[in-house]
Amino acid sequence: GAGVSQSPSNKVTEKGKDVELRCDPISGHTALYWYRQSLGQGLEFLIYFQGNSAPDKSGLPSDRFSAERTGGSVSTLTIQRTQQEDSAVYLCASSPRGEGNEQFFGPGTRLTVL
Amino acid sequence: ILNVEQSPQSLHVQEGDSTNFTCSFPSSNFYALHWYRWETAKSPEALFVMTLNGDEKKKGRISATLNTKEGYSYLYIKGSQPEDSATYLCAFSRGSTLGRLYFGRGTQLTVWP
Repeated sequence: GAGVSQSPSNKVTEKGKDVELRCDPISGHTALYWYRQSLGQGLEFLIYFQGNSAPDKSGLPSDRFSAERTGGSVSTLTIQRTQQEDSAVYLCASSPRGEGNEQFFGPGTRLTVL
Repeated sequence: ILNVEQSPQSLHVQEGDSTNFTCSFPSSNFYALHWYRWETAKSPEALFVMTLNGDEKKKGRISATLNTKEGYSYLYIKGSQPEDSATYLCAFSRGSTLGRLYFGRGTQLTVWP
């Protein structure tokens, strides 16, 4: 079956612009996660959705970052007024229930802020 | 901040060599330990999810062990092949924050033919 998909695969933007990153999880997976990997760093947790609600959004680095999930499926991560330090690979993952079980990752969106 | 340490940071081996990596994590409130393989331009792929102290899991030439009391896990690759070249990520989840994974920085393995 189809895996997790993300779009765009690459995004180059200018400092100060807003960007939207999209994630399509595996059908039927109730849990959805966003992570990012900055250069030289490990994968950093951003936010966790269970259905349409976000019980853990403690990893969002600033109020410029927001995310939503609609219909228990697609999620969008929005970064407003991008900064150069936002440059990273943004990964989305989904799992059937959450609860610390295996997470299935998408291929990521590479964001470059000039 | 919950630190997950992986060593070595990178490793270069010859085809046929066996190798192993280490992951250390906080042992308090442990729920599960995950190993992922991340090849360039692909999605991270789950290798193992382990929950019990003393767990040993095997998939082909790759195996992993878990010690939750002292907070470490080993990943072994027997007879490395060039297609094993990837970054191997370790992550753990805690009972108090089920859902999120805490990742290490990974071990980058290169296997030369």
